[in-house]
Amino acid sequence: QKEVEQDPGPLSVPEGAIVSLNCTYSNSAFQYFMWYRQYSRKGPELLMYTYSSGNKEDGRFTAQVDKSSKYISLFIRDSQPSDSATYLCAMSGATGFQKLVFGTGTRLLVSP
Amino acid sequence: GAGVSQTPSNKVTEKGKYVELRCDPISGHTALYWYRQSLGQGPEFLIYFQGTGAADDSGLPNDRFFAVRPEGSVSTLKIQRTERGDSAVYLCASSRAISETQYFGPGTRLLVL
Repeated sequence: QKEVEQDPGPLSVPEGAIVSLNCTYSNSAFQYFMWYRQYSRKGPELLMYTYSSGNKEDGRFTAQVDKSSKYISLFIRDSQPSDSATYLCAMSGATGFQKLVFGTGTRLLVSP
Repeated sequence: GAGVSQTPSNKVTEKGKYVELRCDPISGHTALYWYRQSLGQGPEFLIYFQGTGAADDSGLPNDRFFAVRPEGSVSTLKIQRTERGDSAVYLCASSRAISETQYFGPGTRLLVL
């Protein structure tokens, strides 16, 4: 079993929809939780990160971490066609961002 | 400013050959990371450098893989006796310091025939 599980999708939604992307994990040592966006044939781009539990909001994006359930989420409000990409969750231990452990990524398609 | 650059962007080689993949980190970034991303998968950690030294190479799959960063800037990932299973996108990332966020390059797509 992988340390980080993520549904690969694809997830297809109409423009303007609220999108929910999720990951579960098994390693209780993870303390940093990140969401990356990856466009086709590009490197991953950091969207936001959270330390330990709680919520964090940045514009149309909200990240949630529930350490008791070992479950993290990324919500995208008012989704746009330009949000179409693969979304990767990533995690690391208390020492910081080195040696990230990624999920498989969820492919999101937002249709106009 | 300039981001992480990787060369070549694509590399096709034959089974058994030797390949070198290069990464130029963001100027001033002391930490450098290599990941491998197979089709339909997330990136998998290979190795990271703090300065010139490999701080953690626990992700290198076997002794055919080796990486160097002799002057603490540019890094080269070297793969000997390539196998078809080595085909993947090799991603490089850098950060201003360990424990700071990583910025990824576009990757080198390696295809071993």
